[in-house]
Amino acid sequence: GESVGLHLPTLSVQEGDNSIINCAYSNSASDYFIWYKQESGKGPQFIIDIRSNMDKRQGQRVTVLLNKTVKHLSLQIAATQPGDSAVYFCAENTGEGFQKLVFGTGTRLLVSP
Amino acid sequence: DADVTQTPRNRITKTGKRIMLECSQTKGHDRMYWYRQDPGLGLRLIYYSFDVKDINKGEISDGYSVSRQAQAKFSLSLESAIPNQTALYFCATSDLGEKLFFGSGTQLSVL
Repeated sequence: GESVGLHLPTLSVQEGDNSIINCAYSNSASDYFIWYKQESGKGPQFIIDIRSNMDKRQGQRVTVLLNKTVKHLSLQIAATQPGDSAVYFCAENTGEGFQKLVFGTGTRLLVSP
Repeated sequence: DADVTQTPRNRITKTGKRIMLECSQTKGHDRMYWYRQDPGLGLRLIYYSFDVKDINKGEISDGYSVSRQAQAKFSLSLESAIPNQTALYFCATSDLGEKLFFGSGTQLSVL
């Protein structure tokens, strides 16, 4: 989920487990969603995106699920690896064009060997 | 080589000083952006540019200015830095879509 204050929610998993990171978005009119991964000392890196006319989209080891009824987005990472440790955040496009892109605050994923 | 390069990576400055953060890209994208990231907050848009002659304010442009020197270069200036501008600053680019490509960031501290 999204963070409140200065402390990011943290998900700790063992290597090889599947991870699920959740995001509640704010605007029912949002038509595009994107997940980013941010490793320490680096800029956000695109993982996967999904449009509102889809419920599910799969990439390599990652799946994004969109539930428009409850305005919920999730990122599933299969067979999580130590290199997946990072902060993950979602973004929604609430209107026309990129300038309405609203970013969440993120969830920290910690993967133990 | 990085597609979106920001300089400097870190900067410490004093209140009232003028600071420029630079961004260059080799992706060939027309659109460039400046965001800031603060602990506990999502990325917030400062300024954006769709091409060399197009500059637009984002949600938090007060206290900042930008210059788009070329398609590949977009700089952010703090005319008179203040402590609450201490943050991690990111430059990003995109083609016509919403997918953004970010640089590695500049950590700015204003004392």
